Amino acid sequence: DAKTTQPTSMDCAEGRAANLPCNHSTISGNEYVYWYRQIHSQGPQYIIHGLKNNETNEMASLIITEDRKSSTLILPHATLRDTAVYYCIVKHEKLTFGTGTRLTIIP
Amino acid sequence: NAGVTQTPKFQVLKTGQSMTLQCAQDMNHNSMYWYRQDPGMGLRLIYYSASEGTTDKGEVPNGYNVSRLNKREFSLRLESAAPSQTSVYFCASSARVLNTGELFFGEGSRLTVL
Repeated sequence: DAKTTQPTSMDCAEGRAANLPCNHSTISGNEYVYWYRQIHSQGPQYIIHGLKNNETNEMASLIITEDRKSSTLILPHATLRDTAVYYCIVKHEKLTFGTGTRLTIIP
Repeated sequence: NAGVTQTPKFQVLKTGQSMTLQCAQDMNHNSMYWYRQDPGMGLRLIYYSASEGTTDKGEVPNGYNVSRLNKREFSLRLESAAPSQTSVYFCASSARVLNTGELFFGEGSRLTVL
């Protein structure tokens, strides 16, 4: 099973871009990279996903390296409401969310 | 449009009691999932149902049973609750199975076993 590695915590100044890295060096060729976030104790919220190409939506951008062994989630203009735990997961048979990265946006 | 609805939102049980957590989705999704989240931990998959009539074990199935009642509903049962099952339980659904399709989560059910 592909596993992911994320930093435990990060800080980012309000208004700046938040760049959250994720390593998934054992990813298989047909496995997607998904990002979710969890605000307080709410249910996780889907952000974005990708396979090979970079992706962008209204919430974020996802940059996947050419070898697909790592990716970066970019929140272009972080706000206080982006403070949350961010999970990078590789979709495979047993969907498991690790402990994620606790992102704190600093005013 | 309610999305994924879980009941109850809060429950306190005594050791050995049984209960069922209910989950319903109104998005016509094929796949449904039950997760648990312990304090300071990530989410761990308990069981999932790829389609109506099928269920499969996830990472931590021991002590739980599930029923995919129909396409909309997926219930999680604790037959004999233990303090180790104190957790927040999340139900999720997805249009497609496993490798593709984003998950939509409910708000969680907070269970305390004394």
